Amino acid sequence: AQSVSQHNHHVILSEAASLELGCNYSYGGTVNLFWYVQYPGQHLQLLLKYFSGDPLVKGIKGFEAEFIKSKFSFNLRKPSVQWSDTAEYFCAAEAAGANNLFFGTGTRLTVIP
Amino acid sequence: KAGVTQTPRYLIKTRGQQVTLSCSPISGHRSVSWYQQTPGQGLQFLFEYFSETQRNKGNFPGRFSGRQFSNSRSEMNVSTLELGDSALYLCASSFRENYNEQFFGPGTRLTVL
Repeated sequence: AQSVSQHNHHVILSEAASLELGCNYSYGGTVNLFWYVQYPGQHLQLLLKYFSGDPLVKGIKGFEAEFIKSKFSFNLRKPSVQWSDTAEYFCAAEAAGANNLFFGTGTRLTVIP
Repeated sequence: KAGVTQTPRYLIKTRGQQVTLSCSPISGHRSVSWYQQTPGQGLQFLFEYFSETQRNKGNFPGRFSGRQFSNSRSEMNVSTLELGDSALYLCASSFRENYNEQFFGPGTRLTVL
């Protein structure tokens, strides 16, 4: 069965620190991968996506993620976080073309000014 | 371009009642997916509709059902409400081509008393 794991439940960082959030997925076929962000009081927004091609994908607001097929991972990174990055981050996967996202449990990021 | 809209935004029901939630996708999007978000279970896929047909279904009981109209608007119905149905119900729309992300609405917060 398809599943997504996010190992960090709550991460607290100071501004300008680097961020890496882990995401592992379990699926044997071709998979599309996503990171969504939910800012306080707002709805889910897409940060970045991977469908195929270059395994290093860049998203909005300086975020990037690297798809490592051999490790079934799609970790999210940002070199220098800002207070405005405080939010909940969700990793998601779907079988290519299936339109049924499987989400991780989310990682709450708190950035201290 | 207007985003995904969901109505109502908040709803309070009592056990045993039934409820209908509505979702209007982004103009031109023909796929609508529904998700349930709870603190305990996170985000879980309910079902997806495309061209008025259910294409995918998650692991939820038959009390959860939906439909899609010819204008791509979708409704979700939950019958015989239980306390555990209290959740944020999210709707997402996409073109449903192979490489296309889903855009989420703000959700309907359902409270079952």
